Amino acid sequence: GENVEQHPSTLSVQEGDSAVIKCTYSDSASNYFPWYKQELGKGPQLIIDIRSNVGEKKDQRIAVTLNKTAKHFSLHITETQPEDSAVYFCAASKDGDDKIIFGKGTRLHILP
Amino acid sequence: EPEVTQTPSHQVTQMGQEVILRCVPISNHLYFYWYRQILGQKVEFLVSFYNNEISEKSEIFDDQFSVERPDGSNFTLKIRSTKLEDSAMYFCASGWARETQYFGPGTRLLVL
Repeated sequence: GENVEQHPSTLSVQEGDSAVIKCTYSDSASNYFPWYKQELGKGPQLIIDIRSNVGEKKDQRIAVTLNKTAKHFSLHITETQPEDSAVYFCAASKDGDDKIIFGKGTRLHILP
Repeated sequence: EPEVTQTPSHQVTQMGQEVILRCVPISNHLYFYWYRQILGQKVEFLVSFYNNEISEKSEIFDDQFSVERPDGSNFTLKIRSTKLEDSAMYFCASGWARETQYFGPGTRLLVL
């Protein structure tokens, strides 16, 4: 079955700098890649997603890239702000599957 | 903005007891899910529910687990005889399409 690996597990970034979180997946049939942000005491919140027919997607300060050949995808946050501090999860799923397979999460700290 | 809600936020129970975790999905959603996250581990898929029946379930979702949508608004997860290893955060999710899933804040279950 699908396995999603996520790096790093912890990331500290100076406020205003960029943060990059990287994930790899194992099942070449996976074609949907959501990213979730989890703040303390809350559930994972969908922040952006990308499908395999697209190489990059951007939403304000957040962008995701997908390399299907290498089976890896990344989350980029630019001009980081204190409210970006959270745990971020990458995930993958494929047509015909209901389940989303999650990475282990990255705890992002934005330093003042 | 509509949100998935879950009750209770915390539940402590004795091993062998039955627990029911409750969720109110977003009102126009058609797909419903339960996931769990054991402390320090990945978020894991348990079960999906569509058109009033289980659509997909993982190997974790054994005979001790059941789901129900009793009244068109609530979605419940029942664990018949809890074990120590059932201690986890349980997330409900819902979506209008199979893959786009919106998560609730979770119920933290502690089995003693």
